[in-house]
Amino acid sequence: LAKTTQPISMDSYEGQEVNITCSHNNIATNDYITWYQQFPSQGPRFIIQGYKTKVTNEVASLFIPADRKSSTLSLPRVSLSDTAVYYCLVGDWNTGGFKTIFGAGTRLFVKA
Amino acid sequence: ETGVTQTPRHLVMGMTNKKSLKCEQHLGHNAMYWYKQSAKKPLELMFVYNFKEQTENNSVPSRFSPECPNSSHLFLHLHTLQPEDSALYLCASSLMTGLSSYEQYFGPGTRLTVT
Repeated sequence: LAKTTQPISMDSYEGQEVNITCSHNNIATNDYITWYQQFPSQGPRFIIQGYKTKVTNEVASLFIPADRKSSTLSLPRVSLSDTAVYYCLVGDWNTGGFKTIFGAGTRLFVKA
Repeated sequence: ETGVTQTPRHLVMGMTNKKSLKCEQHLGHNAMYWYKQSAKKPLELMFVYNFKEQTENNSVPSRFSPECPNSSHLFLHLHTLQPEDSALYLCASSLMTGLSSYEQYFGPGTRLTVT
């Protein structure tokens, strides 16, 4: 599974757009990129997944450049309740035995 | 509410006790997972079950014994644990088909304290 690197922490203010970038230089051809959110003492929650270009859902957008060596999770107009840890995962679950490796994640703190 | 329930939510046990954690999913998924999350550490995948068959065991000590009687239920049997096993134990489930495989649904976890 490809190793991922994210910033340890980020601060933002309510109403701002937040972009969290994840590096995955050794991503494989069949790998997908997935992002999860975790609040304290809760299980992670799936946010978004993508393979290339841009993916958008009701919660976030995921931008993936052509070389796929990085990806950026974009959270529009964050609120205090978006304070959480965000994890970037890269893998090919179809052949990887569903071996999920979570890194340290990025701790986002949204201030009023 | 994610459709994945775990009981108990909190558990305190001595090192000589035997206890079990239970997980149940109501989502029709066919894969189930156990994770361990220690303080200030990333989530660690412990076990994966695919259609009741164990497909992953990430070098977990034998004092942790998983059981998956059917696709909806998953247990983690605990015996002779150590204080360093104190952690949040999370259960998750997913489908094993195509892109749905990437989306795991997590339960609220069991906070385990070993004394």
